[in-house]
Amino acid sequence: DQQVKQNSPSLSVQEGRISILNCDYTNSMFDYFLWYKKYPAEGPTFLISISSIKDKNEDGRFTVFLNKSAKHLSLHIVPSQPGDSAVYFCAVGSQGNLIFGKGTKLSVKP
Amino acid sequence: DGGITQSPKYLFRKEGQNVTLSCEQNLNHDAMYWYRQDPGQGLRLIYYSQIVNDFQKGDIAEGYSVSREKKESFPLTVTSAQKNPTAFYLCATSPRTAKSLPQHFGDGTRLSIL
Repeated sequence: DQQVKQNSPSLSVQEGRISILNCDYTNSMFDYFLWYKKYPAEGPTFLISISSIKDKNEDGRFTVFLNKSAKHLSLHIVPSQPGDSAVYFCAVGSQGNLIFGKGTKLSVKP
Repeated sequence: DGGITQSPKYLFRKEGQNVTLSCEQNLNHDAMYWYRQDPGQGLRLIYYSQIVNDFQKGDIAEGYSVSREKKESFPLTVTSAQKNPTAFYLCATSPRTAKSLPQHFGDGTRLSIL
């Protein structure tokens, strides 16, 4: 059974608008959370992370929100740009190893 | 230029053959990982190593083997026992397996069966 779920395989957003990518996890013992961005035929690139002691972390256009009670993680990209088009993976960590979701393909249209 | 080098980028294997994927890093990171990605799937952990001469099985280690003789290198062998080896293989490193440190990835090797 999946421990990390990204229920939307794809998302399409207009340039300049907000992109919201969601991730749910099952185990309350997970204590740090990351987002990666991946282009085709390349390895994932780390974007932003958050630990379980916080509920928000911001880095430029990217903000990650953590709702521990709901076991829910989201990534907001504002404003979205065409170069943001990629697959986004959430990952949750426990004891040094990461468990990845299946990814959401974001398309930002000019 | 610091980074993680995976080679080759594309690899073809005949049925029944073993094949070795290379992963080299010059980031001086202690921990190294191998993941497999299948279409529409997330990354699944095959093996990881926290230190030289030590490695641990991940979630899908069957049909794979690794070695960690040097800090810089963590080769993955896909053996003939792996029945469905066609996939995109990713190597990653991190300074240590401490909780808050993100893993850094190479650009992957795509393995296909002839």
